[in-house]
Amino acid sequence: GENVEQHPSTLSVQEGDSAVIKCTYSDSASNYFPWYKQELGKRPQLIIDIRSNVGEKKDQRIAVTLNKTAKHFSLHITETQPEDSAVYFCAASKDDKIIFGKGTRLHILP
Amino acid sequence: DVKVTQSSRYLVKRTGEKVFLECVQDMDHENMFWYRQDPGLGLRLIYFSYDVKMKEKGDIPEGYSVSREKKERFSLILESASTNQTSMYLCASSFLGAWNIHNEQFFGPGTRLTVL
Repeated sequence: GENVEQHPSTLSVQEGDSAVIKCTYSDSASNYFPWYKQELGKRPQLIIDIRSNVGEKKDQRIAVTLNKTAKHFSLHITETQPEDSAVYFCAASKDDKIIFGKGTRLHILP
Repeated sequence: DVKVTQSSRYLVKRTGEKVFLECVQDMDHENMFWYRQDPGLGLRLIYFSYDVKMKEKGDIPEGYSVSREKKERFSLILESASTNQTSMYLCASSFLGAWNIHNEQFFGPGTRLTVL
């Protein structure tokens, strides 16, 4: 079955700097890669997703890139703000079932 | 606005008890999912359901069962609770995807279960 590896497990960046979270997946049939954000004490929520026919997608300060050949995908957050502090989960899917990575705890330092 | 609700935010049970966790969604979603969330382990899929009375095992189904008698409701059952089932349990729902169409999963607020 699918296996999703996520790195790093913890990331601290200065406010205003960029943050990058990287994931790899094992099943070449996976074709959908969502990213979820979970703020402290709250439920996970979708922030951006990318499908396998696209190499990059951007939404304001957030961008996701996908390298299907290498089975890598990454989340990029630019100009980080305090409200970006959260746990971020990458995921991979080829049907309605989603396999999540273990999560990255992002700290934004003042 | 999608709403996924779970019957309890916090639950304390004793080893060996039968435990029911309830999840209800109000958006007519076909898919429903149960995950457990543990520090450092992310979200692990326990069971999911594509339709009423239909269920499929996820990655960690041992010690759990599920029931989907109505489309809007998906129940997770711990037949005989054990201490290693102490965790945060999250329910989610989504529309059934057509071929190559994937749909966002909407999560409930979670139930923090402690088994003593």
